[in-house]
Amino acid sequence: ETGVTQTPRHLVMGMTNKKSLKCEQHLGHNAMYWYKQSAKKPLELMFVYSLEERVENNSVPSRFSPECPNSSHLFLHLHTLQPEDSALYLCASSPTPGQGYGYTFGSGTRLTVV
Amino acid sequence: RKEVEQDPGPFNVPEGATVAFNCTYSNSASQSFFWYRQDCRKEPKLLMSVYSSGNEDGRFTAQLNRASQYISLLIRDSKLSDSATYLCVVNTNAGKSTFGDGTTLTVKP
Repeated sequence: ETGVTQTPRHLVMGMTNKKSLKCEQHLGHNAMYWYKQSAKKPLELMFVYSLEERVENNSVPSRFSPECPNSSHLFLHLHTLQPEDSALYLCASSPTPGQGYGYTFGSGTRLTVV
Repeated sequence: RKEVEQDPGPFNVPEGATVAFNCTYSNSASQSFFWYRQDCRKEPKLLMSVYSSGNEDGRFTAQLNRASQYISLLIRDSKLSDSATYLCVVNTNAGKSTFGDGTTLTVKP
């Protein structure tokens, strides 16, 4: 496989459920990101990881918990979400978290919280 | 004021038309600039980086004006397949990326 792969593509969960989103990149990149895209809003950065170390947490509620076990894998653990958390969650990677590189995005997980 | 502001759009143009989008940014420390396209219900895909001297990729031309803090994207000879939302992205020296709201383009036959 190449590029950035996200699973699942779609997820419906209740407010009391616990679920995890998975992201895997096969590009040899050192930086990985979680973004949230809600309807009619720009992409919002959630977390940045560089070489498995979290370098940015953009004031995200604790009901979202990231995990980066190695430079190729990134998870987003979800628990006790709210309906307003329904959105497209996008994983991205780049060679480094530096400023000169564009991102490669995964296809995203479309999350609906009921 | 938003850090990155794009033309609100939407832009509806006939095939073959030339269309230009503008994007302004507020952080003078911004160092790198990109245009992405996002098709409906799909992920954003990098279209092109924007270099200080301006750059061209086929029908697409990107320009940067640091003094006025804006970037532009020009699409010549529009195709139906160019219909998408175009996102302006600005990176600071610290690696922080800020996305614009996007400008939607519809190319009609």
